[in-house]
Amino acid sequence: GESVGLHLPTLSVQEGDNSIINCAYSNSASDYFIWYKQESGKGPQFIIDIRSNMDKRQGQRVTVLLNKTVKHLSLQIAATQPGDSAVYFCAEKRGFQKLVFGTGTRLLVSP
Amino acid sequence: GAGVSQSPSNKVTEKGKDVELRCDPISGHTALYWYRQSLGQGLEFLIYFQGNSAPDKSGLPSDRFSAERTGGSVSTLTIQRTQQEDSAVYLCASSSAGVNNSPLHFGNGTRLTVT
Repeated sequence: GESVGLHLPTLSVQEGDNSIINCAYSNSASDYFIWYKQESGKGPQFIIDIRSNMDKRQGQRVTVLLNKTVKHLSLQIAATQPGDSAVYFCAEKRGFQKLVFGTGTRLLVSP
Repeated sequence: GAGVSQSPSNKVTEKGKDVELRCDPISGHTALYWYRQSLGQGLEFLIYFQGNSAPDKSGLPSDRFSAERTGGSVSTLTIQRTQQEDSAVYLCASSSAGVNNSPLHFGNGTRLTVT
């Protein structure tokens, strides 16, 4: 079946470093992708999204890159802060169909 | 404005009992989702309501699970004859009406513990 997965279950970085979280997706027909941040005890929080007609989108300190050729999605966080420590999920969607989530990557930021 | 609201935030129940979990989506959002998240795991899709269309129930794990959405707003997820493997956080999310590419906004979930 279709799946969305992540390469690394845990990523440890130092405060101030740049972080890169990767995600592979298998449904080549997906046309919308989202990154979520989930802190302990809370629901996932929207970070940034990207549509399949784009290959890069920037937000505040975050950049999402989409490579449709290899079905790869990444989230870059600049100048990572301790408050960025959380689990990050990528998710994919096709049209009005359901949003499918990956298993998540835990980001640990050391001061 | 108010976000997605879920109640109760925590629920402890005995095996075999029925439970009802409630979700109040963001006003005006016609798409509503239920997901389940086990400890340390990703989000497992359960059911999806989109406007007046028939819901996508393809993620419901068994016939003990059901959900309804009354008046296109509030949704209730019901689990009958609960089992210990039903213990998880149940998350509800909603998104904008008529827009197929819009982010889901999540509530903080209901943590269900079946003893």
